Amino acid sequence: GAVVSQHPSRVICKSGTSVKIECRSLDFQATTMFWYRQFPKQSLMLMATSNEGSKATYEQGVEKDKFLINHASLTLSTLTVTSAHPEDSSFYICSATGQGFSSYNSPLHFGNGTRLTVT
Amino acid sequence: KNQVEQSPQSLIILEGKNCTLQCNYTVSPFSNLRWYKQDTGRGPVSLTIMTFSENTKSNGRYTATLDADTKQSSLHITASQLSDSASYICVPLYNNNDMRFGAGTRLTVKP
Repeated sequence: GAVVSQHPSRVICKSGTSVKIECRSLDFQATTMFWYRQFPKQSLMLMATSNEGSKATYEQGVEKDKFLINHASLTLSTLTVTSAHPEDSSFYICSATGQGFSSYNSPLHFGNGTRLTVT
Repeated sequence: KNQVEQSPQSLIILEGKNCTLQCNYTVSPFSNLRWYKQDTGRGPVSLTIMTFSENTKSNGRYTATLDADTKQSSLHITASQLSDSASYICVPLYNNNDMRFGAGTRLTVKP
């Protein structure tokens, strides 16, 4: 089955630094990737939708200059948290869908998430 | 207000027992509804996908039901196992591919 790999699984960084999170589709071409954040005991919150080769679409309230998304290839999307602050500490998850199946009927494969802690 | 309400928020059962998780949603119109299992610190994994015309769908010990008229869905787990301990998330999908995630039910299966 389709696999989505997310890296790193955990990262600790100092306040003011930037952190890059990678999301890769391993056995399919991901034309669309989604980025979420999840706080403890809360639901996943969609941050942005990323289509290969075009600018990401951000959800209301998500700062595009703070959360930089790049989807330069059909197998890789990255999320960079710039000038991270302690309030950015969260669980970040990506998901992907691609050619041959759409989010309409596909199970929408998720990465295993990245636990970001900003000190 | 979250348009997806799941109950209970948490549930503890003994291994081997059955349980049923509930999901009420207000999104309309919707095209399908998904149930995901999310282990702690991991990404969600799909259990079932049902279109609005389907009433029930099974995946092994997991059986999901859907009543599109009352906008309710349930996930029934039979003969629970310790590995079933996880959060179960209900996700209705709007016709425009907009997904809404419930907060999930945290299930703990004890020996």
